[in-house]
Formats: sequence, C-alpha cells, structure tokens
Amino acid sequence: DAGITQSPRHKVTETGTPVTLRCHQTENHRYMYWYRQDPGHGLRLIHYSYGVKDTDKGEVSDGYSVSRSKTEDFLLTLESATSSQTSVYFCAIRGQGVGEAFFGQGTRLTVV
Amino acid sequence: QKEVEQDPGPLSVPEGAIVSLNCTYSNSAFQYFMWYRQYSRKGPELLMYTYSSGNKEDGRFTAQVDKSSKYISLFIRDSQPSDSATYLCAMNFGNEKLTFGTGTRLTIIP
Repeated sequence: DAGITQSPRHKVTETGTPVTLRCHQTENHRYMYWYRQDPGHGLRLIHYSYGVKDTDKGEVSDGYSVSRSKTEDFLLTLESATSSQTSVYFCAIRGQGVGEAFFGQGTRLTVV
Repeated sequence: QKEVEQDPGPLSVPEGAIVSLNCTYSNSAFQYFMWYRQYSRKGPELLMYTYSSGNKEDGRFTAQVDKSSKYISLFIRDSQPSDSATYLCAMNFGNEKLTFGTGTRLTIIP
C-alpha cells in the first residue's frame, strides 16, 4: 500500500460525537487526499492537502475538517458525526505518474 | 447529471471471455483517463492511464479513449478469476484532483 497507514480500520460511533481519522505516509509525498466511498456514488473527494498546513476542499467537504501539521500525517475530523457520514474513508497520496494515486486500506466508519 | 457515468453492474462472465468496461463523461476539458482496480475491502490501485484518443495496451488489458464521443473503455482479454474486482474509471484536467466513476463490479466465473 505504498507506505500508507490508516487508523482506525473500523469504528462505530454515536451521532453527534466528534471523530478523527488518521492517515500516515512514509513516502514523503506532498499531496494527500481524503475520499469517501459509497454505493452508487463511487469515490468522492472530501479534502486534500498540497503541503504542511496547506489544504483545500473537495466536492463533499461539508461536515468535515482536516489538518496537516507534518508531511507524513493528514487528519480528517468529523466535527459532529451524522448517520449520512457512515461510509468507507480512503486516504491517498499522489504518485509520480499521471493520474497516479496510492490508496490506503480504508476506514469503515459507522455512525449509529 | 454526474460528470462521469459508469454502469455499476454487477457483470459476470466466464473465464477466458473478453470483458468490456465503459465510462462516459460530460466535460470535454478532461485530459487524462485512468482505470483503477479495487479488490474487495482494499483500496483502489492504478491499472492504466491514457492521455490521447486511441488505444493503449498493457498485457491482457487495453484502454481506449474516444474524446469525440466522450467515451472510454477498458478491455480485458483472456479473463481470469483473479480479475474479479471492481473497476473504476477516473479522469482529471491535468491538475491534482481525480474524478471517479461509480465503479463496475466484475466477477469472472471459473
């Protein structure tokens, strides 16, 4: 998985609680991404980062925030989890090739 | 209307058959076209990319782009059970963000 570790791998949380997902890379890549994957929607970009403290919104950023204080770590926070945020979350880093992205194993989040 | 449309399947074919997977897109500004493969409970991995209209071949896989029709295809020859996975098309404008299709779930029956 190109040196990408996501934690936790599985999480069940209650509606209204904050949740933080962590992505750690050992590749020293500048660009990092958070996607969510849902049936019928495919992979949708939540937020991405192009360097330490440099982040930008994707197409489904509402209800999510991110932080990147070190090159190797990219955190995704659900400020107040809702059932609509039940999903599989993938972190990715940009590879060297055109359109190349390396994905982590995913975090399966269930909001009850 | 989604920018990228992909039939979700599922698609089941016998081993050895030729598989055709397709995506259509609406934005003619897309420049690069990719196919990712995703095994169950794993992250996607890049299979192939193309830039211009035409064909690109890599072993049993052929990627085809028709920009005039805004249509891309992935062909798998001599399909194997190990090809069973979800295949996602993706494209971008030459920048850092990828736009994905919904994925087609493929099963190769031994």
